Amino acid sequence: GESVGLHLPTLSVQEGDNSIINCAYSNSASDYFIWYKQESGKGPQFIIDIRSNMDKRQGQRVTVLLNKTVKHLSLQIAATQPGDSAVYFCAENRHSGGGADGLTFGKGTHLIIQP
Amino acid sequence: NAGVTQTPKFRILKIGQSMTLQCTQDMNHNYMYWYRQDPGMGLKLIYYSVGAGITDKGEVPNGYNVSRSTTEDFPLRLELAAPSQTSVYFCASSGEEKLFFGSGTQLSVL
Repeated sequence: GESVGLHLPTLSVQEGDNSIINCAYSNSASDYFIWYKQESGKGPQFIIDIRSNMDKRQGQRVTVLLNKTVKHLSLQIAATQPGDSAVYFCAENRHSGGGADGLTFGKGTHLIIQP
Repeated sequence: NAGVTQTPKFRILKIGQSMTLQCTQDMNHNYMYWYRQDPGMGLKLIYYSVGAGITDKGEVPNGYNVSRSTTEDFPLRLELAAPSQTSVYFCASSGEEKLFFGSGTQLSVL
């Protein structure tokens, strides 16, 4: 079946380096994608989103890239800090019309920051 | 701002017991959701609601029930707890597609 998945379960980076977390999706009809950050013991927190009519969107220290040709989504975090340690989930919305009931979440990538 | 509030944070149940996980939001969102998160896995949708009086099944509804009598509250009921329901449960709400999550309830069924 169709699914959203991440390429690596764990990513270890040096503090100050840039981090790139990848996500593959298989439903070409998905038109909305979101990245969430989940710190230990907490609920997921929205980071950034992108619609299928865009290929890049920037936030504060984060950038999301969408490649619809190969159905690939990535999250780039600039100048990684200790507070960035968390599990990062991508999610795709498989139907439009409001609501998040069509959101499907990937399994997550654990980002570890080395001092 | 409180956002989405879940109680309790932790609970241990014996097999066959029942309990209600409480969830309330103060953002006046129409949409509310219950997810479960198993170790190393993504979030799975249990039930959702598009407004007071309206609920619908998600991907994994078996063993659970919900109600939505008000816009603010969306409790999740486990009637006969089973070990397979050991998980972390998250309630969320949304105005559109962006979800706001509670801090979770860690449930163990022994």
